Amino acid sequence: KQEVTQIPAALSVPEGENLVLNCSFTDSAIYNLQWFRQDPGKGLTSLLLIQSSQREQTSGRLNASLDKSSGRSTLYIAASQPGDSATYLCAVLGQNFVFGPGTRLSVLP
Amino acid sequence: GAVVSQHPSRVICKSGTSVKIECRSLDFQATTMFWYRQFPKQSLMLMATSNEGSKATYEQGVEKDKFLINHASLTLSTLTVTSAHPEDSSFYICSAPDLASPYEQYFGPGTRLTVT
Repeated sequence: KQEVTQIPAALSVPEGENLVLNCSFTDSAIYNLQWFRQDPGKGLTSLLLIQSSQREQTSGRLNASLDKSSGRSTLYIAASQPGDSATYLCAVLGQNFVFGPGTRLSVLP
Repeated sequence: GAVVSQHPSRVICKSGTSVKIECRSLDFQATTMFWYRQFPKQSLMLMATSNEGSKATYEQGVEKDKFLINHASLTLSTLTVTSAHPEDSSFYICSAPDLASPYEQYFGPGTRLTVT
């Protein structure tokens, strides 16, 4: 059974810092991995999708990597801003979607 | 890009009543839709897989008689929470893979259910 973990559970950084969020999964038989953002009381916003054959994806200040063999993905956020404050979820798609518990990010002005 | 909508976005109901949540794929067809539930401070958990034209598949521990799922067409799946209880208060999300691109999931915005 696929299990997804995320480290750290919570993170607080001053504005402008670069930061890395980590995601680990136990079963490497996945089709893709997605990173989502969840704002309180709102639905998920998909940030980046990495297919199993890819190693990284970039969108603006976000860069996500995937190492399927080791069961790891990282989300790199450059030059963090207060508006980046949210919970970040990673999810892997195998037989179905399995989500990690999320990392709660606070970027302080 | 593909869009999945959910209705309602928020609902408050009394214990014992039933609530229906709709999930629609707006510009693509989906033979399968997934229903997730998220309790506070917990990750989203898959509840069931909705299959167009056939019975839904429920995850272990999810009561199929309590959470009725109907996938009436290639663009609509409904989740009905019957005899709602305060413990059912949660955030319900649906997702659907596009038939044309089945390994990409599109998520609805979610429905927040509060049972009083």
